[in-house]
Amino acid sequence: DTEVTQTPKHLVMGMTNKKSLKCEQHMGHRAMYWYKQKAKKPPELMFVYSYEKLSINESVPSRFSPECPNSSLLNLHLHALQPEDSALYLCASSQGSGISGNQPQHFGDGTRLSIL
Amino acid sequence: LAKTTQPISMDSYEGQEVNITCSHNNIATNDYITWYQQFPSQGPRFIIQGYKTKVTNEVASLFIPADRKSSTLSLPRVSLSDTAVYYCLVGWNRDDKIIFGKGTRLHILP
Repeated sequence: DTEVTQTPKHLVMGMTNKKSLKCEQHMGHRAMYWYKQKAKKPPELMFVYSYEKLSINESVPSRFSPECPNSSLLNLHLHALQPEDSALYLCASSQGSGISGNQPQHFGDGTRLSIL
Repeated sequence: LAKTTQPISMDSYEGQEVNITCSHNNIATNDYITWYQQFPSQGPRFIIQGYKTKVTNEVASLFIPADRKSSTLSLPRVSLSDTAVYYCLVGWNRDDKIIFGKGTRLHILP
């Protein structure tokens, strides 16, 4: 069991759909992250939220829209995705601001996203 | 920017000690070295973190030489369940936007 909960575990959507991925943690962490992971590749950082404000955006296309409603929740809104966006989307959290990358991150088990 | 290099894959046998080395020649003064383990269809799991010399916890040891340009993750007496990908992470080694290095696929044989 992980301390970071991601829903849904699996998602299949068409290229014109709008959907959202959700992530929740109750460890009091103030840094939260979204990663994208393709098969047999390392996780790629997408966004970092620090104290509920977006602090790092790794030039992610605008069809991915992150949101941090409060310190425990992180959403990733999806719209008009492409087939190449099919991947495992991982959420993580850590103590500290998330700026240095030195705080150990706690990962959820991800949402497996398939774009038809 | 610090970039990490690890062996792509390693094989070992149950009961053996496994050492995985990561090189990070451009590590910054304030960077820590963190290792994660990832099983298929799961998120990475934190194993151990260190800054210098040696760190040990209940699952692994981490050896860091004085120049900190490399580190070695040591897994004592591995079992089949240690088959996984192991990632070495140094601060934010933001090379080509890949914070995590390519990782080492460890395969434990019976």
